[in-house]
Amino acid sequence: EVQLVESGGGLVQPGGSLRLSCTASGLAFRNYWMHWVRQDSGKGLVWVSRINSGGTLTTYADSVKGRFTVSRDNARSTLYLQMNSLRGEDTAVYYCVVGVTAPSGGYWGQGTLVTVSS
Amino acid sequence: DVVLTQSPLSLPVTLGQPASISCRSSQSLVHSDGNTFLNWFHQRPGQSPRRLIYTISNRDSGVPDRFSGSGSGTDFTLKISRVEAEDVGVYYCMQATHWPHTFGGGTKVEIK
Repeated sequence: EVQLVESGGGLVQPGGSLRLSCTASGLAFRNYWMHWVRQDSGKGLVWVSRINSGGTLTTYADSVKGRFTVSRDNARSTLYLQMNSLRGEDTAVYYCVVGVTAPSGGYWGQGTLVTVSS
Repeated sequence: DVVLTQSPLSLPVTLGQPASISCRSSQSLVHSDGNTFLNWFHQRPGQSPRRLIYTISNRDSGVPDRFSGSGSGTDFTLKISRVEAEDVGVYYCMQATHWPHTFGGGTKVEIK
């Protein structure tokens, strides 16, 4: 059974930082692109970032470029999202998603809530 | 960014009756490799989204065959042949052909 477990969310003040983690099991993590998607209270889903299987290619939404950094540790089957200079509009549930276009992928984690507020 | 427009926003359905959701893209979703990366997801209240369909019409493992996807280019459809109680929730189309990947605004399916 594929499982993706996110952690690291919480309450942080504007301008602060958080590091999210997503640990995968039940699949060959090193073979898949990995993604971060967030969902705000208005329920809209927004792609945040993606990283290729080897960790050599990363892409970001304009809204987080320069502030967020995605990385992965294939030996630990873990995906990371370092979030700096956080803003109120970053408040959302953050999901990791594996292999969004892969026939054997498409799985989502349970999500971790990030709240940016003073 | 590619805009995906779903309709209807809300879809009240009688159990056992069919349902259909439309997803229209602001530009073609045909990738340079020939694939069309249009997926459908279902999100039940309080749960994470679950992928149902990938590349227009391929059902994910464990997805009932009452779900089907079709379409091409910029127009796509998700159909449920006979709605069951467990099908309630919000359905999203999503494109992964262009970056940033984008989602439709969602269609809320509820039982009449």
